Amino acid sequence: KQEVTQIPAALSVPEGENLVLNCSFTDSAIYNLQWFRQDPGKGLTSLLLIQSSQREQTSGRLNASLDKSSGRSTLYIAASQPGDSATYLCAVRPDGNKLVFGAGTILRVKS
Amino acid sequence: NAGVTQTPKFQVLKTGQSMTLQCAQDMNHNSMYWYRQDPGMGLRLIYYSASEGTTDKGEVPNGYNVSRLNKREFSLRLESAAPSQTSVYFCASSVPSGTEQYFGPGTRLTVT
Repeated sequence: KQEVTQIPAALSVPEGENLVLNCSFTDSAIYNLQWFRQDPGKGLTSLLLIQSSQREQTSGRLNASLDKSSGRSTLYIAASQPGDSATYLCAVRPDGNKLVFGAGTILRVKS
Repeated sequence: NAGVTQTPKFQVLKTGQSMTLQCAQDMNHNSMYWYRQDPGMGLRLIYYSASEGTTDKGEVPNGYNVSRLNKREFSLRLESAAPSQTSVYFCASSVPSGTEQYFGPGTRLTVT
């Protein structure tokens, strides 16, 4: 059974710092991996999707990497801002269209 | 283009009551999903519909039923609500080729 773990569970950093969020999964047989952002009391917003054949994806200050063989992905946020404060969720697609989610990392960027 | 919409946004039920959560998407997606999110846990799949006319169980289907009314709409029904079903429920949709899933804003359900 696929399991997804995100470390750390919570992170607090000063504004301007570069940071890395980690995601690990137990079964390397995945179609893709998706990073989401969730603001308090809101739904999920897709940030980046990495197909199994890709190594990384970039969008603005965000860069996500994927290492299938080791079952790891990282989300790198450059020059963090208070507006980046949110919960970041990682999810893998093991088969069909189903997603398996991690519990998330709560990020707080202090001004 | 509203994306994925869900109604209601909030609901309080007493144990044993029934209700239906509604979800609609206007992106012409074939696949739709229902997830629940509990504190400290990731989202867990309840049911999904790969295409109109088909539904399948996910990880936590007990206590729920679903209906794929048409391509746009996918509803989730709680026949006899229990306190363990207190959660935030999210609906999502995607194209069948398995690119991104798009999520609705959620329904916050409390069962007392």
